[in-house]
Amino acid sequence: AQTVTQSQPEMSVQEAETVTLSCTYDTSESNYYLFWYKQPPSRQMILVIRQEAYKQQNATENRFSVNFQKAAKSFSLKISDSQLGDTAMYFCAFMKEGYQKVTFGTGTKLQVIP
Amino acid sequence: DSGVTQTPKHLITATGQRVTLRCSPRSGDLSVYWYQQSLDQGLQFLIQYYNGEERAKGNILERFSAQQFPDLHSELNLSSLELGDSALYFCASSWEGLNEQFFGPGTRLTVL
Repeated sequence: AQTVTQSQPEMSVQEAETVTLSCTYDTSESNYYLFWYKQPPSRQMILVIRQEAYKQQNATENRFSVNFQKAAKSFSLKISDSQLGDTAMYFCAFMKEGYQKVTFGTGTKLQVIP
Repeated sequence: DSGVTQTPKHLITATGQRVTLRCSPRSGDLSVYWYQQSLDQGLQFLIQYYNGEERAKGNILERFSAQQFPDLHSELNLSSLELGDSALYFCASSWEGLNEQFFGPGTRLTVL
């Protein structure tokens, strides 16, 4: 069974600064997908970024980028130029290829301070 | 707006009761997933349906059941409710090959 671990329950960052959220996972699969989801106070689940395990290049979406280390089974999220609207819970998630159940971590609560 | 709709938004009921949560997937999506999010926790996968058939099962209690209808909407039935069933229930949908799920706004269930 796959597991996803987020070791930082809460973090804070000053507006306009950069913050990195950590995630590690455990799997014996070679083909899989990793995701970061954002859950603001509205509780809506919003996909922030995704990474295919077969791609060596780290995914980037505007101010959001990942550091994917396949051998270390690490998948961290970097948020640059943090904005107040980035305040939310962030969940790291894993999905095995061909099997669409998603396994979520326990989340990191990020507070952006003005 | 993800295109996935869930009703009702909020539901308050008493222990021992039965409720039905409804989900309409995005147009064209054949798969529907149900997740439970208890207070301040991550999402737990409950069950997946694909084109009307159960495809995968997670940590779903025997008191819970689901189905997907010919028009592809899905319902999650929760019976003999307990206080611990209070949670946010999410539905998500996807289509084969995309490897990405789109989440609805959730139904908040409160059991008193």
